[in-house]
Amino acid sequence: ELKVEQNPLFLSMQEGKNYTIYCNYSTTSDRLYWYRQDPGKSLESLFVLLSNGAVKQEGRLMASLDTKARLSTLHITAAVHDLSATYFCAVDRKAAGNKLTFGGGTRVLVKP
Amino acid sequence: DGGITQSPKYLFRKEGQNVTLSCEQNLNHDAMYWYRQDPGQGLRLIYYSQIVNDFQKGDIAEGYSVSREKKESFPLTVTSAQKNPTAFYLCASSPQGRPSYEQYFGPGTRLTVT
Repeated sequence: ELKVEQNPLFLSMQEGKNYTIYCNYSTTSDRLYWYRQDPGKSLESLFVLLSNGAVKQEGRLMASLDTKARLSTLHITAAVHDLSATYFCAVDRKAAGNKLTFGGGTRVLVKP
Repeated sequence: DGGITQSPKYLFRKEGQNVTLSCEQNLNHDAMYWYRQDPGQGLRLIYYSQIVNDFQKGDIAEGYSVSREKKESFPLTVTSAQKNPTAFYLCASSPQGRPSYEQYFGPGTRLTVT
């Protein structure tokens, strides 16, 4: 059974500083997704990582994937208040069609 | 505009009643999914469908039913057998081809059962 664990569960950030969210998963997969969710809203796709060593960047966010270590990271550079949200990683269960298993989420709060 | 619509946004029901949540997409995606989200938690897969007239149970299908009669539509019925139906329900769709199989989410329906 695929398990996906994110840490930390909650991250209080200071504006201007750098932080990292970690996503570990338990079985082989080569498709990993990062989503953002604002309170009471749906999920917004941030990154799709499709191969070992993949790195994607958009603004202050950068995501990477290490399939050998079964680890993805979401790095936040110079945090700003607008990045306050909950971030989820999700891993594709290869052998079962395109079914995603989600991590529990990391709630990010950026304080001035 | 292409996208996924869910209705209604908020739904209130009495315990013991069945309720159907709507999900429509005009993205021409083959696959559609239903997820449940409880407060402070991640999403859990209820049902999914990769093609019209076919669907499979996800991880928490008990107390739910679906149909997929049209490519664009994938309604979810929450039956009275579902013990804790109050939750945020999200529908998603994805193309069934390489490279990414990325899932796109609708705005969600918040169901409250009292």
